[in-house]
Amino acid sequence: QKEVEQNSGPLSVPEGAIASLNCTYSDRGSQSFFWYRQYSGKSPELIMSIYSNGDKEDGRFTAQLNKASQYVSLLIRDSQPSDSATYLCAVKRGRRALTFGSGTRLQVQP
Amino acid sequence: SAVISQKPSRDICQRGTSLTIQCQVDSQVTMMFWYRQQPGQSLTLIATANQGSEATYESGFVIDKFPISRPNLTFSTLTVSNMSPEDSSIYLCSVDPLPRDRKETQYFGPGTRLLVL
Repeated sequence: QKEVEQNSGPLSVPEGAIASLNCTYSDRGSQSFFWYRQYSGKSPELIMSIYSNGDKEDGRFTAQLNKASQYVSLLIRDSQPSDSATYLCAVKRGRRALTFGSGTRLQVQP
Repeated sequence: SAVISQKPSRDICQRGTSLTIQCQVDSQVTMMFWYRQQPGQSLTLIATANQGSEATYESGFVIDKFPISRPNLTFSTLTVSNMSPEDSSIYLCSVDPLPRDRKETQYFGPGTRLLVL
């Protein structure tokens, strides 16, 4: 079992729709959870962090965390073609390095 | 957040040679990490660069192949030694700055794109 699992996609949504990205993790000791966006040829860019159960909203992005189910999700409202990228879920335990999932490729169709 | 720069941004190298990648941060950070991202893959941790002591390597990575230096809290180097085409990857420096709100996070440099012929 991989430590962090994501559906590789591609996930295709029409412009203006809600994109829903999901991630599960195996280490129950994970304390910090992150979503990074990576455009082709670029380095990962942090877009959301979440540390406690529930929802966290930032603009068009909402991160959801359920530690009991070991599940993290990212919702992107009003999806734009510029949101087309690979979204990487990552988890962190204390000061250890991030562990990444394989990423989900999102395509927003104009 | 922290501003991270890497040199070189890209390079094309011949097999059997070595390349040293530099990572510079604009502020002192406790934790620095080196990742590799092979074409079409996600990020894999190579090692944690420890200031004043030997780096801590992940399974599958060894010091002879990927020697790391961390002379101070703002700078680190990663050397890719005796390169082969399988080393063609993006190499990323990452830092976990000491946060004011004590929340852990991690930021990435722009990466070094390496092609080995």
